[in-house]
Amino acid sequence: NAGVTQTPKFRVLKTGQSMTLLCAQDMNHEYMYWYRQDPGMGLRLIHYSVGEGTTAKGEVPDGYNVSRLKKQNFLLGLESAAPSQTSVYFCASSPSLGYTFGSGTRLTVV
Amino acid sequence: AQSVTQLGSHVSVSEGALVLLRCNYSSSVPPYLFWYVQYPNQGLQLLLKYTTGATLVKGINGFEAEFKKSETSFHLTKPSAHMSDAAEYFCAVREIQGAQKLVFGQGTRLTINP
Repeated sequence: NAGVTQTPKFRVLKTGQSMTLLCAQDMNHEYMYWYRQDPGMGLRLIHYSVGEGTTAKGEVPDGYNVSRLKKQNFLLGLESAAPSQTSVYFCASSPSLGYTFGSGTRLTVV
Repeated sequence: AQSVTQLGSHVSVSEGALVLLRCNYSSSVPPYLFWYVQYPNQGLQLLLKYTTGATLVKGINGFEAEFKKSETSFHLTKPSAHMSDAAEYFCAVREIQGAQKLVFGQGTRLTINP
């Protein structure tokens, strides 16, 4: 089925651990985005990519890194997780006027 | 920079009553505007969007929104609330060119009272 797939769906990390969130889309979209959702703050853009091999910082990039080695995949990395990174993470892709969102990854850092 | 303000983090209405969720945006040029809905423990679903043309936009589930340039507003309405409308609603603005980044409001949680 066409869409945006995020893995994993849930994860608990200890402070200082690292992990990578994977976003995969099969719609051949050029643009991809990573957002985090926190209560009362809506969704805030972490990083985005306008094409294979390109990445750029969004509104809240600190503590995160990204890579877009293949057009269909957009990876979000946490090198040293902190409790402030406890959040729900959403990936999205866009051809032009419409965004397609993944179902989210709920990350807890203890 | 673009920004979005949703007035009221929580709105409560009775079943069958009018739903009105307010959204104001700040942008140097008329942007594209969106409303998304998020049901508990789910992702975001597009309700409706305004790009160009008619300023009254109809979406799914009986919702509609009107783009008012003079008021920089894009309020969401539904004539008669249903229990299934209980969810969180997000207004968002997107730059027309460039990286097409979506900027979201803080969200409004809609509760429907029986």
